[in-house]
Amino acid sequence: GENVEQHPSTLSVQEGDSAVIKCTYSDSASNYFPWYKQELGKRPQLIIDIRSNVGEKKDQRIAVTLNKTAKHFSLHITETQPEDSAVYFCAALLSGTYKYIFGTGTRLKVLA
Amino acid sequence: SAVISQKPSRDICQRGTSLTIQCQVDSQVTMMFWYRQQPGQSLTLIATANQGSEATYESGFVIDKFPISRPNLTFSTLTVSNMSPEDSSIYLCSVGAGMNTEAFFGQGTRLTVV
Repeated sequence: GENVEQHPSTLSVQEGDSAVIKCTYSDSASNYFPWYKQELGKRPQLIIDIRSNVGEKKDQRIAVTLNKTAKHFSLHITETQPEDSAVYFCAALLSGTYKYIFGTGTRLKVLA
Repeated sequence: SAVISQKPSRDICQRGTSLTIQCQVDSQVTMMFWYRQQPGQSLTLIATANQGSEATYESGFVIDKFPISRPNLTFSTLTVSNMSPEDSSIYLCSVGAGMNTEAFFGQGTRLTVV
């Protein structure tokens, strides 16, 4: 079946540094890729998304890049803050469906 | 955006019993989804709840274990039947606003089976 690989599984950075999380997907026809942040005990919340007709999207300190040829997309968080600490999930929407395949998650710790 | 209310938020259940989780959306949606999130793990799709027809289950999940109801376009239930400790997990309902748009999640039900 289709899958999404996500790396790293854990990431610790100093406050103010950048964090990068990478995902690779298998469905070459996927064209929508959201990123979710899940704080402890809470529901996943969308933080940014990208569609296949663009290569990069930025929203303040958060950016996502997409390489459709390589079937690879990445989340970039700059100037990290302690409140960025959470689990981040990438996802890919299966082509022709409403189904999302989620990555395995990255636990980000921002050290003050 | 969609506002999703899910209940119960948590429960502790005896093995062999069943628990029904409810999901209410503040607007009519075509598709509703049920996910399982085991401790420290990712989200795994259990099934798609279709209004007016049987739910569509993913590989590894069966109707006898996870019966789903979808009586209308704003409500769905998931039942976890004949529970065992391995069913201890967070169960989340989700809706999509449309093709190529974000999914919204309920707050989840944390189930512990003892």
